[in-house]
Amino acid sequence: GAGVSQTPSNKVTEKGKYVELRCDPISGHTALYWYRQSLGQGPEFLIYFQGTGAADDSGLPNDRFFAVRPEGSVSTLKIQRTERGDSAVYLCASSLGWGGEETQYFGPGTRLLVL
Amino acid sequence: GENVEQHPSTLSVQEGDSAVIKCTYSDSASNYFPWYKQELGKGPQLIIDIRSNVGEKKDQRIAVTLNKTAKHFSLHITETQPEDSAVYFCAASLRSGGSYIPTFGRGTSLIVHP
Repeated sequence: GAGVSQTPSNKVTEKGKYVELRCDPISGHTALYWYRQSLGQGPEFLIYFQGTGAADDSGLPNDRFFAVRPEGSVSTLKIQRTERGDSAVYLCASSLGWGGEETQYFGPGTRLLVL
Repeated sequence: GENVEQHPSTLSVQEGDSAVIKCTYSDSASNYFPWYKQELGKGPQLIIDIRSNVGEKKDQRIAVTLNKTAKHFSLHITETQPEDSAVYFCAASLRSGGSYIPTFGRGTSLIVHP
């Protein structure tokens, strides 16, 4: 079956602009996660959804970052007033979200470059 | 919060040799420890995981050990092959609601020379 997909695969924007990054999780997965991975680093947790609600948003760095999952499937990560330090790979993952199955399946990521 | 240290940052071995990657964590409440393999341009892929009530787990050429008292865990790959070359990440996970939120190490770049 299809894995986690993310669009766009690459995004170049200018400082101060607004960007939206999309994630399509594996069908039937109720949990969805966003991470940010800087060069040479491990993924850093941003936010986790269980269904439509954000169950844990403790990793969002500031109020310029926001994510939604209105129908409990597709999610969008939104970044306002982008800064050069926001340049990174943004990874999305999904998991079944119940029954003790914790395995997270990652998408290929969106590479964001802020000029 | 949780802090995960991972060593070495780079590991170069000959095909057929074993490779060992070590991680330590700081929060004794962490109770789920996945290991991920990441190839260039791709997202991380789970290769093995271990829970805090288990000391060792093996899956073919890959094994993971966990020492809760010392707060460290290790990945062992035997009979390495060139296709094992990738970046490997350990993670220590804390329970959050109905899921686990991992804190990742900085990664180990494994290079297997044919």
